[in-house]
This record gives sequence, C-alpha cells and structure tokens, in this order.
Amino acid sequence: EDKVVQSPLSLVVHEGDTVTLNCSYEVTNFRSLLWYKQEKKAPTFLFMLTSSGIEKKSGRLSSILDKKELFSILNITATQTGDSAVYLCAVLNAGGTSYGKLTFGQGTILTVHP
Amino acid sequence: DTAVSQTPKYLVTQMGNDKSIKCEQNLGHDTMYWYKQDSKKFLKIMFSYNNKELIINETVPNRFSPKSPDKAHLNLHINSLELGDSAVYFCASSQVMGGGQPQHFGDGTRLSIL
Repeated sequence: EDKVVQSPLSLVVHEGDTVTLNCSYEVTNFRSLLWYKQEKKAPTFLFMLTSSGIEKKSGRLSSILDKKELFSILNITATQTGDSAVYLCAVLNAGGTSYGKLTFGQGTILTVHP
Repeated sequence: DTAVSQTPKYLVTQMGNDKSIKCEQNLGHDTMYWYKQDSKKFLKIMFSYNNKELIINETVPNRFSPKSPDKAHLNLHINSLELGDSAVYFCASSQVMGGGQPQHFGDGTRLSIL
C-alpha cells in the first residue's frame, strides 16, 4: 500500500524564520508528488514535482524532490502569520489498480507567531 | 466563480438517517473524487470517477454510494449514518486521471452525526 509520512507533525515559529517541512514516501508506481496548503477549508495546490533535483519556486516557497531517496522538502523563507496552515504532501500513483490514486500524508501543522 | 462547489457546507443529523452531499465542478475536468478527512486531518480517497465511470473504490462501507449523472457532477449518498461517519468530506476534480495536473478541491462538507 502506498504510504506518505510527513515530519514534523507540528512546528511553531516566529515571523521571519525559515522552515523546512519533510515528506517521505513509498509508492508502487510513482507519477508525481504534490504539496498542498490547507487553512480553514479546501486544500489549495502549491507544487507538483515529477523530476528529481529540479527546484520549484513560488515567492517565498520552494520545493524539491529526490526520487532516489524517496523524499521531498518544502521550504518557506521569511515566514509570515499568513503561512500558518496545515501543509499536506501527497503522491500520485500511475499504475495498476492504484492508477490515479492520490495518497496523502498526515500533514504538518505550521503556526507562525508575530 | 467557484471551481469546485459542494453543498451543503454543514450537515448535522442523527444516527440512522440517510443524507446526500452534492458536488459540481465548472473546470471542464474529466475526473472527480470524494475524500474523507478525519479529526486528525488525515485525508483519504474514497472514490473517483472518470467520465462518469467509477475508477477507484477504496475500502468504503457500501452504505456510501457515489453517483455521477454527468462528468461535471459527483454526488455522495450515505445510508444509515453512523457516529464514525462524522468527518469533513471533500470533493475534488482533475483534468485527467493520473496525469500531470493537480487535483482541485472544494471547501468541504462537515458532517456531524448526533
């Protein structure tokens, strides 16, 4: 069964700090790894990573994938209170009976204090 | 315009009742999904439909029955509700199944069983 493990489970920082969120995975047929941010309601898409070693960046957020070691990190620099959310990592399966299945980790709860 | 919309947002009902949650997407996507998020924020796939055809059916009690009248709609009917069904149910859609596009989520329906 596909598995995604995120760490840490929760993190409390102050504005301006830099944080690194971790995601490790086991999947039978890897297609891509996705990061989502969930505040009060819907998870909102951040990044999709398919290739190893290629950093994706959006403002203060960046992410990279290592397909050999089966993990990804999400970095947030100069954190702001608006970054407070649950960050979800998920892997997309591209084969067999699990084709198209997105398996999520348990999430990292990030709290940014002013 | 809301891309993926679910109704109702909140549903409070008693054990044993039957209820339905509706989902509509206006993104022109071919694939739609239902997820359950428990109190620990763990998001788990329940079903997926591709062009009105059931593709993924996880180990979900048969009290849960999805119905897709067309590819823009995926409804979830739940019979004989139990306490353990209390959760947030998210609908999502993606352009294709298992492809290189992310899933987009609705705002969720919070189901509370008394």
